[in-house]
Amino acid sequence: QKEVEQDPGPLSVPEGAIVSLNCTYSNSAFQYFMWYRQYSRKGPELLMYTYSSGNKEDGRFTAQVDKSSKYISLFIRDSQPSDSATYLCAMRSGTASKLTFGTGTRLQVTL
Amino acid sequence: EAGVVQSPRYKIIEKKQPVAFWCNPISGHNTLYWYLQNLGQGPELLIRYENEEAVDDSQLPKDRFSAERLKGVDSTLKIQPAELGDSAVYLCASSRDTGTGELFFGEGSRLTVL
Repeated sequence: QKEVEQDPGPLSVPEGAIVSLNCTYSNSAFQYFMWYRQYSRKGPELLMYTYSSGNKEDGRFTAQVDKSSKYISLFIRDSQPSDSATYLCAMRSGTASKLTFGTGTRLQVTL
Repeated sequence: EAGVVQSPRYKIIEKKQPVAFWCNPISGHNTLYWYLQNLGQGPELLIRYENEEAVDDSQLPKDRFSAERLKGVDSTLKIQPAELGDSAVYLCASSRDTGTGELFFGEGSRLTVL
């Protein structure tokens, strides 16, 4: 079993939809949780960063962490075609800097 | 601020040939990472440098892979000899503060081994 599980998709939604992307993990030592966005043939770029449990909002994006369930989510409101990309969750423990990534979910927002 | 620069962007070689990838991190970033990303997978850490020192190379296949970071700035990742299974994207990333985990990635070097 992988430390971080993420549905690879692809996920196709119409423009304006609310998108929910999720990851589960097994390592209870993870404390820092990130979402990266990766466009085709580009490197990943940091989208959201959260520490421990709770919600964090940034524009149309909301990140949620539920440590009791070992479950993290990224919500995208009013999705746009420009949001079409692969979304990678990543996490690390408080004492190490190695990031463990999920496999990524490919999102397609259609007109 | 210039981002992480990698070269070459694309490389096609025959199996058993050597290949090298170069990375220039963001200025002032002391930590440098090499990641491997297979198609449809997330990046996996190969090696992490703190300045010139390789502090985590446990996932680097040392029989054919080597890396160096001379003077604590640029880094080179080498594969010799390359195998078919090495076809992947090799990502370089850098960070200023390892405590936050905020990595900045380059665009990657895509390797195809024939």
